[in-house]
Amino acid sequence: DIQMTQSPSSLSASVGDRVTITCRASQGISNYLAWYQQKPGKVPKLLIYAAYTLQSGVPSRFSGSGSGTDFTLTISSLQPEDVATYYCQKYNSAPLTFGGGTKVEIK
Amino acid sequence: EVQLVESGGGLVQPGGSLRLSCAVSGFTFSSYWMHWVRQAPGKGLVWVSRMNNDGSTTTYADSVKGRFTISRDNAKNTLYLQMNSLRAEDTAVYYCTRGGDILTGYFPFGYWGQGTLVTVSS
Repeated sequence: DIQMTQSPSSLSASVGDRVTITCRASQGISNYLAWYQQKPGKVPKLLIYAAYTLQSGVPSRFSGSGSGTDFTLTISSLQPEDVATYYCQKYNSAPLTFGGGTKVEIK
Repeated sequence: EVQLVESGGGLVQPGGSLRLSCAVSGFTFSSYWMHWVRQAPGKGLVWVSRMNNDGSTTTYADSVKGRFTISRDNAKNTLYLQMNSLRAEDTAVYYCTRGGDILTGYFPFGYWGQGTLVTVSS
């Protein structure tokens, strides 16, 4: 099975900072990579799919890149409402594995 | 409006069984892959199982294979998860999610239910 490894597991940044989260697949998954945001006590929300396609309604400060095995989620200017845990997921074949998550906090 | 509403969670003893339901509305249920995802308290998301649109294809995570059974009733717009031989490590919030349809194929989880808590404890 393909493993999905996210880094870092947590980060603290200031409002307005550029934040980058990485996700690495143990084998190539083309661009079948999604990013989710889960705010405390809430249901996960799809942010990005196909590695870089923004889901409708998601602010443009979120962006995704990568293909194959290495992917990145970038928040261009961190906002207080972005405090959440972010997960990557491969979805081209089963098991549809999630990364371990990255908890983002405000410094 | 797309809605997914889970039910059936609760407290069950180790070795016991539970059946979760997910009633959906707002889309053509019979056209979509459906999935179950779980999240143990304070932990990350774990994919559990999936079923294709007509119920002919199912897949399970290794951790639940042989104990859990996914099914669906397209006439009732409802997805199910039968959970047998439950263990303490199955304790989690279980989410019902929608995948891709028969046209788009592979697609991540754009819609989630609110989740139902399953607690396995004596």
